[in-house]
Amino acid sequence: KAGVTQTPRYLIKTRGQQVTLSCSPISGHRSVSWYQQTPGQGLQFLFEYFSETQRNKGNFPGRFSGRQFSNSRSEMNVSTLELGDSALYLCASSPQGFMGYGYTFGSGTRLTVV
Amino acid sequence: SQQGEEDPQALSIQEGENATMNCSYKTSINNLQWYRQNSGRGLVHLILIRSNEREKHSGRLRVTLDTSKKSSSLLITASRAADTASYFCATDAGSGGSNYKLTFGKGTLLTVNP
Repeated sequence: KAGVTQTPRYLIKTRGQQVTLSCSPISGHRSVSWYQQTPGQGLQFLFEYFSETQRNKGNFPGRFSGRQFSNSRSEMNVSTLELGDSALYLCASSPQGFMGYGYTFGSGTRLTVV
Repeated sequence: SQQGEEDPQALSIQEGENATMNCSYKTSINNLQWYRQNSGRGLVHLILIRSNEREKHSGRLRVTLDTSKKSSSLLITASRAADTASYFCATDAGSGGSNYKLTFGKGTLLTVNP
């Protein structure tokens, strides 16, 4: 069965631009989460969606937003990019997104802001 | 903020030896999970242990959980060169249930020398 698919794999953007990242979860999984990974801050939670509803959001500025579609695919958007937004962005899916289930992660989108 | 803190930060062993990594966390949890990450790629779920469990096995992996000490350990027996990766513990913590997010530690970099 297909895993979690993230597109694109690599992205280079200029400061001030905006970017949209896409995540397709495992078929049947309704929970999609997003994480940012940087060498300095490690893995940090961005947000989680279940059935098109955001159930939790991490401590990131409003420039970071996301959404989930009826087919469970999710997108995250970062507006007015800053150099510090350079990171590996990971998407994870799980059947329900609560205790008892592990998460399946995609390979990530590596965003470089120049 | 980091919930889990892994110890040691880096571990280098020979093939065939056992590797033990420890994780401490700060708040009550629903479950604790261990993940592996190979060189900047996605995370792979290894094992999940619930707060009411003390020990769990999966193949060459053994995880223990001590909720009184807020700590967990991951033991990899008979290590192979292919086990070389970063290992992260992640906690699912929420009052009265999951808050639908994982809080990760900074990870242990394991190097298994052939």
